[in-house]
Amino acid sequence: GAGVSQTPSNKVTEKGKYVELRCDPISGHTALYWYRQSLGQGPEFLIYFQGTGAADDSGLPNDRFFAVRPEGSVSTLKIQRTERGDSAVYLCASSLLGTNNEQFFGPGTRLTVL
Amino acid sequence: RKEVEQDPGPFNVPEGATVAFNCTYSNSASQSFFWYRQDCRKEPKLLMSVYSSGNEDGRFTAQLNRASQYISLLIRDSKLSDSATYLCVAAGGGGSYIPTFGRGTSLIVHP
Repeated sequence: GAGVSQTPSNKVTEKGKYVELRCDPISGHTALYWYRQSLGQGPEFLIYFQGTGAADDSGLPNDRFFAVRPEGSVSTLKIQRTERGDSAVYLCASSLLGTNNEQFFGPGTRLTVL
Repeated sequence: RKEVEQDPGPFNVPEGATVAFNCTYSNSASQSFFWYRQDCRKEPKLLMSVYSSGNEDGRFTAQLNRASQYISLLIRDSKLSDSATYLCVAAGGGGSYIPTFGRGTSLIVHP
């Protein structure tokens, strides 16, 4: 079956622009997570959805970051007024139920802000 | 202080060697623990879950010490293909849903 997919795989944008990153989780997985990973670091938690609702968004760094999952499947991470410091790989993961289960990661979106 | 700490390495070992990684976590309420493997420029993939009683999967053995709040991973008879970064994860507990990843330990297995 299909795994977690993310689009685009690469995104280059200019400082100040708006970007949207999309995640398609494994069908039937109720839990969805967004992380970002910088070189030499582990994935840094951003937000966790259980179904359509954000169960924990405490990892979002500031109000320029927002994520939605309106129908409980596909999720979009939105970044406004991008800054050079936002450059990273943004990873999405899904799991069957919650945090005590194995997470399946997508290939990530490499965001570069010039 | 990071909630999950790992020695970043790299650990440079010859084929056939046994190598062990430790990871410490600060949230004593954490309930679930995992080791993930991440190859260069790829996504993390689950290597194994870590149970209180310890568990083994082929050449890999994971142990959990709740009293000292550390997790270990032992790799026996290292293969070239084991070269990767190994990420330790502590999750759940205390009303938190957040899985917390360590920064990873880099392993290089050479011929």
